[in-house]
Amino acid sequence: QKEVEQNSGPLSVPEGAIASLNCTYSDRGSQSFFWYRQYSGKSPELIMFIYSNGDKEDGRFTAQLNKASQYVSLLIRDSQPSDSATYLCAANTGNQFYFGTGTSLTVIP
Amino acid sequence: NAGVTQTPKFQVLKTGQSMTLQCAQDMNHNSMYWYRQDPGMGLRLIYYSASEGTTDKGEVPNGYNVSRLNKREFSLRLESAAPSQTSVYFCASSEVRLVYGYGYTFGSGTRLTVV
Repeated sequence: QKEVEQNSGPLSVPEGAIASLNCTYSDRGSQSFFWYRQYSGKSPELIMFIYSNGDKEDGRFTAQLNKASQYVSLLIRDSQPSDSATYLCAANTGNQFYFGTGTSLTVIP
Repeated sequence: NAGVTQTPKFQVLKTGQSMTLQCAQDMNHNSMYWYRQDPGMGLRLIYYSASEGTTDKGEVPNGYNVSRLNKREFSLRLESAAPSQTSVYFCASSEVRLVYGYGYTFGSGTRLTVV
């Protein structure tokens, strides 16, 4: 069983809509969770992290964590074509990250 | 502030050739990592170095060796390249105390093709 699982998509949303990206993790010892955005041919870049149950908002992005359900999500409000990318979920356990395979998001103008 | 610098950006090797991928960070991070990224497989950890002087195997270490030359530099060596090692390689660095949300900073990647 993979440590971190994501729906690979592709997920398509119209411009201005809310994009919802989901991730589950298997290790209850995981302490913190990260969302990375990766444009095609580029390296991943950190956009959000969360380590407490509940919601964390940063601009158009909201990360949600439910440790009881071992579930992490990322909401992107007012989606823009520039948000089109692959989104990687990662869980930190000890000194390592475990990455999901990523969800491809396309925002349609 | 350059962050994490990887060289080379592109490389084509013949089967059996050797090469070293170089990585350097200027953020004074303690931990450094080498990942490979393949379609449908996501990022897989090859080796990591939690601090200067230590290295540990990750998920897919076979066929690779690493050297933590100093706090700044962490190199990845392919002794005898195989087509299965065709991939995009990313170096990353981080603070040790990941729980505070520093996360990784990634280098720009090396696209390696083994023919």
